[in-house]
Amino acid sequence: EPEVTQTPSHQVTQMGQEVILRCVPISNHLYFYWYRQILGQKVEFLVSFYNNEISEKSEIFDDQFSVERPDGSNFTLKIRSTKLEDSAMYFCASSEGLRGGQPQHFGDGTRLSIL
Amino acid sequence: GESVGLHLPTLSVQEGDNSIINCAYSNSASDYFIWYKQESGKGPQFIIDIRSNMDKRQGQRVTVLLNKTVKHLSLQIAATQPGDSAVYFCAEPYNQGGKLIFGQGTELSVKP
Repeated sequence: EPEVTQTPSHQVTQMGQEVILRCVPISNHLYFYWYRQILGQKVEFLVSFYNNEISEKSEIFDDQFSVERPDGSNFTLKIRSTKLEDSAMYFCASSEGLRGGQPQHFGDGTRLSIL
Repeated sequence: GESVGLHLPTLSVQEGDNSIINCAYSNSASDYFIWYKQESGKGPQFIIDIRSNMDKRQGQRVTVLLNKTVKHLSLQIAATQPGDSAVYFCAEPYNQGGKLIFGQGTELSVKP
């Protein structure tokens, strides 16, 4: 069964450094998403991406965050200058569409630890 | 406002029993709901979904019930197994843009 894959599984970075989280969505999917989950809390939406542009972003997704689809298979999340509070699990998801019956499928996440 | 909530944070059941996990939502215009299972160290895994034109949908050992009158949905797991131990989230699209709103989650523990 096709799946969303994310790399790395764990990223440790010094505060203030840039980090890039990588995702390979399911191949025939057109909509891409990033979510995050702080330890013990619920999953929170960050951004959605379609047709090479951001469709929607949350308040969390400020100017330090950016997303890119550099080629036909990868989808990346960049945090320019990381802060301690960016420590969380980051999940990539993809879906065929936005209609009912087209659920988002998630990767297993990247654990980001900011020191 | 946007809100998808769960009634209980934890649920403990005996192996072989049926489990029922509940979820309440606030947006009466919501027309699609999804249940995810999250095992420790993994991402949310799609279990089953339901559109608002249905009251019930069955999958393999799972059934989702939707009561639009009281804005409530439930996930029933038949013959619960140790492998069902996980956190279960209900989720709904917030708008037409695909943003999913997740509930807090219910942690299901299965006792052998």
